[in-house]
Amino acid sequence: GENVEQHPSTLSVQEGDSAVIKCTYSDSASNYFPWYKQELGKRPQLIIDIRSNVGEKKDQRIAVTLNKTAKHFSLHITETQPEDSAVYFCAASRETSGSRLTFGEGTQLTVNP
Amino acid sequence: DTGVSQDPRHKITKRGQNVTFRCDPISEHNRLYWYRQTLGQGPEFLTYFQNEAQLEKSRLLSDRFSAERPKGSFSTLEIQRTEQGDSAMYLCASSSSGGSDEQYFGPGTRLTVT
Repeated sequence: GENVEQHPSTLSVQEGDSAVIKCTYSDSASNYFPWYKQELGKRPQLIIDIRSNVGEKKDQRIAVTLNKTAKHFSLHITETQPEDSAVYFCAASRETSGSRLTFGEGTQLTVNP
Repeated sequence: DTGVSQDPRHKITKRGQNVTFRCDPISEHNRLYWYRQTLGQGPEFLTYFQNEAQLEKSRLLSDRFSAERPKGSFSTLEIQRTEQGDSAMYLCASSSSGGSDEQYFGPGTRLTVT
């Protein structure tokens, strides 16, 4: 089955700096890669996703890049703000079958004011 | 609130008891998923329904776990003979096969087995 590894497990940055979180996956058939943000005690919420037919996607301060050959994808947050502090999860799935998301272990991002 | 809802939000039970959780997906979503999340970990897939059909089950779903979605709308997850290792947050998510495939999560049911 799919295995998703996520690094780092914790990340502390100063407000205004950039943050990068990296994930690798094992199943070459995976073609949908969402990123979720989970604040303490709350539900995971999708912040951005990418499909295998594109290499990069950007939404304001958030961007995701995908390297299918190397089977890794990354989340980039620029101009970080204290409200970006949360746990971020990457995930992978075989979108076309509408099946399970396999999640990474999460990255606790802390943005220090 | 038109999002995914779950009930109850918290459940404390004694080892050996049975518990049942309910999930109400977004009304137009035909796909429904159950995940389990323990502290400091990402959600782990348990099972998936498309309409009323249970299409996939994880090996994590032992024979003490059963899920149903009888009319293709709400779903229930039952755990029989609970064990302390069942303590976790149980998350439900839904999506639409005709939409973006984004899975929308509910607030979860936190189960504590004493």
